[in-house]
Amino acid sequence: SQTIHQWPATLVQPVGSPLSLECTVEGTSNPNLYWYRQAAGRGLQLLFYSVGIGQISSEVPQNLSASRPQDRQFILSSKKLLLSDSGFYLCAWSGLAGEATGELFFGEGSRLTVL
Amino acid sequence: ILNVEQSPQSLHVQEGDSTNFTCSFPSSNFYALHWYRWETAKSPEALFVMTLNGDEKKKGRISATLNTKEGYSYLYIKGSQPEDSATYLCAPRGSGGYQKVTFGTGTKLQVIP
Repeated sequence: SQTIHQWPATLVQPVGSPLSLECTVEGTSNPNLYWYRQAAGRGLQLLFYSVGIGQISSEVPQNLSASRPQDRQFILSSKKLLLSDSGFYLCAWSGLAGEATGELFFGEGSRLTVL
Repeated sequence: ILNVEQSPQSLHVQEGDSTNFTCSFPSSNFYALHWYRWETAKSPEALFVMTLNGDEKKKGRISATLNTKEGYSYLYIKGSQPEDSATYLCAPRGSGGYQKVTFGTGTKLQVIP
């Protein structure tokens, strides 16, 4: 069966510090991968998605970046965090390449507080 | 409809009441419509994947319908229970490419015992 893990679960970072959130999927190959964020009082915002190694689509211009160095690994990064980066970050995967309708499966989430 | 819109934003109902929510989405380039339930301190979990106009799905007391021509879906909960308290999200696949999955703002349901 497929599983998805993301870490760390919680972190508190000062403004201007770097960020790295990691997500890995097991039990499937060539999944579509996603990073979402829920800021306080807001909905679930799509940040990045990837359909293959090295292929990243950015949805929101900001100081975050994403990378997919391996088929089942998705990393969210920032060189300098802003206060507005605080929120709950979720990684998700869906189906196989070319599959158009399947649902998303989410990781456990990472809560980031920028002080 | 240019974006995904859900209504109402929040809802308080008494235990045993039935309720429904609406999801409106762009009707062009439609591939599928997902409904998710997001409970506090957990991750969202899929309830339904709907692909065909006129689709009706049911899981226990929860059901959903889909109209792809006019771009809306309804989620119904019959006889609400406290454990139904959660945020219900809809997410269409299609606009901007089927790989892109954008969520509505959600409907937060609170069932009062």
